[in-house]
Amino acid sequence: EVQLVESGGGLVQPGGSLRLSCAASGFTFSNYWMHWVRQAPGKGLVWASRINPDGSDTSHADSVKGRFTISRDNAKNTFYLQMNSLRVEDTAVYYCTRCSDFVCYDYWGQGTLVTVSS
Amino acid sequence: EIVLTQSPDFQSVTPKEKVTITCRASQSIGSSLHWYQQKPDQSPKLLIKFASQSFSGVPSRFSGSGSGTDFTLTINSLEAEDAATYYCHQSRSLPWTFGQGTKVEIK
Repeated sequence: EVQLVESGGGLVQPGGSLRLSCAASGFTFSNYWMHWVRQAPGKGLVWASRINPDGSDTSHADSVKGRFTISRDNAKNTFYLQMNSLRVEDTAVYYCTRCSDFVCYDYWGQGTLVTVSS
Repeated sequence: EIVLTQSPDFQSVTPKEKVTITCRASQSIGSSLHWYQQKPDQSPKLLIKFASQSFSGVPSRFSGSGSGTDFTLTINSLEAEDAATYYCHQSRSLPWTFGQGTKVEIK
């Protein structure tokens, strides 16, 4: 059974840092692009970042570029989102999801809430 | 950035009624358009991929159509469990974008 489990969310002050993790199981993790999608409270879905199967190619939304870094460890079947210089507007539930050549976003994690507030 | 505009934003529907949600892209995206259902406090669920391909396990009352810039999600014979917010999403070019969502309420 495919599972994606996020962790690492919490309350942080503006300017602070957090690292989110997404642990994958039930599929060949190293074959998939992995993505982070976020959703501010009461708002819609917004793509944040993605990473290719071997970790050599990453992309970020303009709103997080230069502050967030996506990475992965295929030996641990886990990928990460390092979030620095956090802003109040980064407050959201962060979901991890996967993508292949045939289908994208077919499985999602349960989400982890990041709250940026003083 | 490709902007996706859904209509309507909200729809209140009687069970067994047909629901149609449209998604318009600001430029042509071929068939790289997908539909999701999200219920309160749940993760999104994939319904339709590449405009018209039903995802495994999705009830047959959900269908999708369209290409280029205009797309439609149809729910035939709405059931109470279909109350949710529905999003379209394009994977044609970065940044990948979503529509603003359409909330479907059961009367």
